[in-house]
Amino acid sequence: GEDVEQSLFLSVREGDSSVINCTYTDSSSTYLYWYKQEPGAGLQLLTYIFSNMDMKQDQRLTVLLNKKDKHLSLRIADTQTGDSAIYFCAESIGYSTLTFGKGTMLLVSP
Amino acid sequence: DAGVIQSPRHEVTEMGQEVTLRCKPISGHDYLFWYRQTMMRGLELLIYFNNNVPIDDSGMPEDRFSAKMPNASFSTLKIQPSEPRDSAVYFCASRMDRGTYNEQFFGPGTRLTVL
Repeated sequence: GEDVEQSLFLSVREGDSSVINCTYTDSSSTYLYWYKQEPGAGLQLLTYIFSNMDMKQDQRLTVLLNKKDKHLSLRIADTQTGDSAIYFCAESIGYSTLTFGKGTMLLVSP
Repeated sequence: DAGVIQSPRHEVTEMGQEVTLRCKPISGHDYLFWYRQTMMRGLELLIYFNNNVPIDDSGMPEDRFSAKMPNASFSTLKIQPSEPRDSAVYFCASRMDRGTYNEQFFGPGTRLTVL
């Protein structure tokens, strides 16, 4: 079955690193994604990782994938107040659709 | 490009009224998705179209919900009659069919309140 789980809330101080975790259940996922939703806006793709990769780095973002444990994480280095948002983990099993987690609200305090 | 356009941005209506939400996908995109977001259930896929044809509507909650895509640049999601439990943010998203990763582009959403 398809199910993506995330913790609901994370609070960090500006300048610290943030780590948002996600677990998924379908081992046939081809791509895994992190989307960001700012207040009053739609979701925007932040980064993605192909299922045959273990890690992907993109500036302040690091994505780690552990296929054995079906665990995905997003690390944001030097977190800024502008990073405060809801972060969604999503998996793409077939070709067409995505299954999203419920989202993790990241609050960055000065 | 203007991105995915949704209208209205906010809709307040009374129970029993018909509600129509509108979406204009990004030009050239082959897929269009309708989602509903609530605190309790998160982001749920309601229906999606490929080349204007509905492919999977298994997420549509009940017969009160219907969606159409008469052409490549326009889609509607209709709720008739509306109920208070339909209150949510409804998102439209679109993407290209290019055989690679599945980046969906989301509109800003329509916040629906049914009193």
